Amino acid sequence: EAGVAQSPRYKIIEKRQSVAFWCNPISGHATLYWYQQILGQGPKLLIQFQNNGVVDDSQLPKDRFSAERLKGVDSTLKIQPAKLEDSAVYLCASSRDFVNEKLFFGSGTQLSVL
Amino acid sequence: AQTVTQSQPEMSVQEAETVTLSCTYDTSESDYYLFWYKQPPSRQMILVIRQEAYKQQNATENRFSVNFQKAAKSFSLKISDSQLGDAAMYFCAYRSLNNAGNMLTFGGGTRLMVKP
Repeated sequence: EAGVAQSPRYKIIEKRQSVAFWCNPISGHATLYWYQQILGQGPKLLIQFQNNGVVDDSQLPKDRFSAERLKGVDSTLKIQPAKLEDSAVYLCASSRDFVNEKLFFGSGTQLSVL
Repeated sequence: AQTVTQSQPEMSVQEAETVTLSCTYDTSESDYYLFWYKQPPSRQMILVIRQEAYKQQNATENRFSVNFQKAAKSFSLKISDSQLGDAAMYFCAYRSLNNAGNMLTFGGGTRLMVKP
């Protein structure tokens, strides 16, 4: 089966600019996650969707970050405006449902904010 | 809140030998899952092994096994017969069974180097 697809693979922007990341989960997976991985750290959950509804966004900086999952399939994560501390790898993952603990990860988008 | 600690930023092992990566966690819960994930340079997180807290038997997947000490809140990963392809970042992760979703709390990672 095809894996979790993410694009772009790399993105370089200047601070205060906007950026968007795209994720297409494995077909049939109802649950989708966005993780932020700062260099030298483990991933941190930003937001979790079940179909097109939000399950947990308690760690999402809502003043600048937004995410949507229209039609319960692919998802977009946006940062507006970006700060230097947003430089990180943004990983998308999916699972069959939020009870199933097996997550499948994409290869992430590496964001550099200059 | 749960925390996961990996005290070894880097480890090195000779090819074909055995290495153990350490992980400790802090929780007040009795039921949870623990995981080891591998992250190669491709950045994709790959599940290596998982352990249910209610199981006393240590999980094993081919060359990978864990030493789960629930009372000590310790969860180490042993890699036997190390191969060059094992070189990667390894992350220990915790999943509570009490929250509504499937949130994983990750440790800071250990970089494993395999010498030929």
